[in-house]
Amino acid sequence: AQSVSQHNHHVILSEAASLELGCNYSYGGTVNLFWYVQYPGQHLQLLLKYFSGDPLVKGIKGFEAEFIKSKFSFNLRKPSVQWSDTAEYFCAVNPYSSASKIIFGSGTRLSIRP
Amino acid sequence: NAGVTQTPKFQVLKTGQSMTLQCAQDMNHEYMSWYRQDPGMGLRLIHYSVGAGITDQGEVPNGYNVSRSTTEDFPLRLLSAAPSQTSVYFCASRGREGSEQYFGPGTRLTVT
Repeated sequence: AQSVSQHNHHVILSEAASLELGCNYSYGGTVNLFWYVQYPGQHLQLLLKYFSGDPLVKGIKGFEAEFIKSKFSFNLRKPSVQWSDTAEYFCAVNPYSSASKIIFGSGTRLSIRP
Repeated sequence: NAGVTQTPKFQVLKTGQSMTLQCAQDMNHEYMSWYRQDPGMGLRLIHYSVGAGITDQGEVPNGYNVSRSTTEDFPLRLLSAAPSQTSVYFCASRGREGSEQYFGPGTRLTVT
């Protein structure tokens, strides 16, 4: 079945550590890709998006993601995390083959130790 | 603009009761969707709409109905609530294919 996979369910890091969260999808063809963040008690907010062009996209709060088409991946990175990055992170895919749908991964909970 | 609004914020139902979760957006967006969020399962698409009068099923549509009589409103109806429908429900809207999706604040539903 077509899906979006986030293999890291819970990641625990210390402040200033580097972060990489994995996202893989199984849709063929062209896709639009998103990362959303949900801070505790809040609703989802867009971190960054990829539609076309440079596969390395930069988002808010120092986050970036790289689209690797051959690996069907869109991993999220941040060089140095802060305690305020504690949140749940969701990868999402909008496949051109089902353009009206946006499908989400199961999420990765990120906990930052101060 | 208020963006995407949802009511109520919290609701407790007994098994078998019905209710409607309200969702409205004031951004003139064509696309609207309902998701449920459960621990460890992310957001799962329940139903979605690509315009007034047009709706379709998502990943987990059973037990839910939707309608889209206007561009602004997209209510979600639970026909006969079950404990398995205990969840947080998010409504979302976006302007066109591939554009950013905006989320409402969510409705926390408990079915006893």
